[in-house]
Order: sequence, then C-alpha cells, then structure tokens
Amino acid sequence: QKEVEQNSGPLSVPEGAIASLNCTYSDRVSQSFFWYRQYSGKSPELIMSIYSNGDKEDGRFTAQLNKASQYVSLLIRDSQPSDSATYLCAANDYKLSFGAGTTVTVRA
Amino acid sequence: EAGVAQSPRYKIIEKRQSVAFWCNPISGHATLYWYQQILGQGPKLLIQFQNNGVVDDSQLPKDRFSAERLKGVDSTLKIQPAKLEDSAVYLCASSLGTSGSFSDTQYFGPGTRLTVL
Repeated sequence: QKEVEQNSGPLSVPEGAIASLNCTYSDRVSQSFFWYRQYSGKSPELIMSIYSNGDKEDGRFTAQLNKASQYVSLLIRDSQPSDSATYLCAANDYKLSFGAGTTVTVRA
Repeated sequence: EAGVAQSPRYKIIEKRQSVAFWCNPISGHATLYWYQQILGQGPKLLIQFQNNGVVDDSQLPKDRFSAERLKGVDSTLKIQPAKLEDSAVYLCASSLGTSGSFSDTQYFGPGTRLTVL
C-alpha cells in the first residue's frame, strides 16, 4: 500500500511570503504527482502536475520533484489570503493516492 | 464545459439505513472514480471504472458498499446498511484517458456530505 506523507500543519505565513509544502511517497513506482487545492467545504481542484525530476513553474506556484529521494514539494510565492486552503499531494502509479493535506493560512 | 455533477449534496441518515449517491462525469470521460474523504484526511479511492467495467475496487467495503456504472456514463454508489464511520464526503471524479495513463488528470465533482446518526 503506497503511502503519501505531507508535512504537518497548519502552516501560517504572512501575506507576500513564500509558503513551502513538502510531500514524500513510499514507493518507487509512482510516475506522476499532483497538487490539489481544497477550500473548506469544497472539492479538490488541480493546481499543478509534475512528471519529471526538477522544477515546474506555473504563475506563483513551483512544483519540485526528486524521484531518487521520493520527494515532491510545492512553493507558493507572494502568498495571498486567497491561497488559504488545504493542499493535497497525490502520487500516481495507475492509482492516485493522496496525503492527508497541509492547511495553509495566509495572514493579511 | 460542464463539470462533474453529483447529487444529493447533503444527506443525513440513521445507522443501518441505506443511501445512494449519483454522479454524472464530464462528457467524454471514460474513467470514473469514487472517493471517500473523512474529515481531516485525504480522499481515499473506493472504486474506479473504465467505461462500464471495474478497474479497481480493492478498498471498497463490499459487504455494505456497491457501485455501478451502467452504459459507461452515470454512476451510483450505494451504502447498505450505513454505519457511523461512513460519515464522510463522497467525491466523484472523472478523467479523459485510459486507465493507467500516468498523466491522466482527474476532475472532481462537488461531493456529497453524508452524516450517519
């Protein structure tokens, strides 16, 4: 059973700062990784996917993947109050397995 | 493009009662998933369909949960009888590609919040 672990929260950052979220996964078979954002009472929405080692940037979001270390991270630059949500990391080896999520609060 | 539709949005039942949830995926999406999300946890896959066939139901409690996807489009998830620990949000998701594609992105519906008293 693949396990996906995320850094425990909640994570509180001031507006304009960088929020750093970490995720590790237990197997070496996983080929793709996803970050979903979930606002309270809402369903998860995809914000980033990454398949290859290295960095992938999309606006204020940067995902980093290191398959040798079985590690994936998400950086949120210039954090805004609207970024306050729970961020779910998911690893895919033909089945998506989610971590428990890290709750981020951006202080105005 | 319409998203994944689910109904009902909320359901409150007593333990030992039965309940059913409905999902309509994004048009053209071949793969449909049902997840259970307990408060404070990430979604857990219950069952995955590819068209109208089951790909994975290894985490579905088959003594009380059942699901079907007739005609490869809509799907229903049923719980009978419900237990207190079934209180959760039931999420339906769909994706475009074939089962096993590592780049296949899943899109989630709004979910059904079930409370079992």
